[in-house]
Amino acid sequence: DAKTTQPTSMDCAEGRAANLPCNHSTISGNEYVYWYRQIHSQGPQYIIHGLKNNETNEMASLIITEDRKSSTLILPHATLRDTAVYYCIVRVPFIIQGAQKLVFGQGTRLTINP
Amino acid sequence: DTEVTQTPKHLVMGMTNKKSLKCEQHMGHRAMYWYKQKAKKPPELMFVYSYEKLSINESVPSRFSPECPNSSLLNLHLHALQPEDSALYLCASSPRGDNSPLHFGNGTRLTVT
Repeated sequence: DAKTTQPTSMDCAEGRAANLPCNHSTISGNEYVYWYRQIHSQGPQYIIHGLKNNETNEMASLIITEDRKSSTLILPHATLRDTAVYYCIVRVPFIIQGAQKLVFGQGTRLTINP
Repeated sequence: DTEVTQTPKHLVMGMTNKKSLKCEQHMGHRAMYWYKQKAKKPPELMFVYSYEKLSINESVPSRFSPECPNSSLLNLHLHALQPEDSALYLCASSPRGDNSPLHFGNGTRLTVT
């Protein structure tokens, strides 16, 4: 799987948009970009994923550059409950029949401040 | 609340004990996973089961023994652990091997004394 690079920590004011960058310069053409987050004392939670096009769901937006070497996760109106560690993961699809290999990097610790 | 249930939430065991961690999901997922997470570190993949068969073992020591008795249940049997095995053990499941996301439980916090 391609490696990812994320800032160790970020701060954002409550109500503002939180923009979390991720570099994945060695990504291959069939590798997807996934974002998960982990709130303290909980298991990781899926946020969003994409291949080439920008994606949006009820939680966030994912912007992938045209060369696919980097992406940005956008939380449009951050709340205190968005304080968590955010993981950007690049994954090859369908490695094994019926399963997948998801490898976490170090992640970004995002703190939302009141 | 999570749809992947892990029990117990906390476990303290001695180095000579034998214990088991349990994970259950009723979403019809056919892939299940064990991850280990040390404090302030990312989760590390340990085992992957696909259709109740072990698909991946990430060179995990034999003192950790996984078992998948049926498609809804995943166990992790522990024996002769070391204090450095103290960690949060996370279970996850996914429907199939395409782009479906993993669903994680909230983990079992294990302390080895």
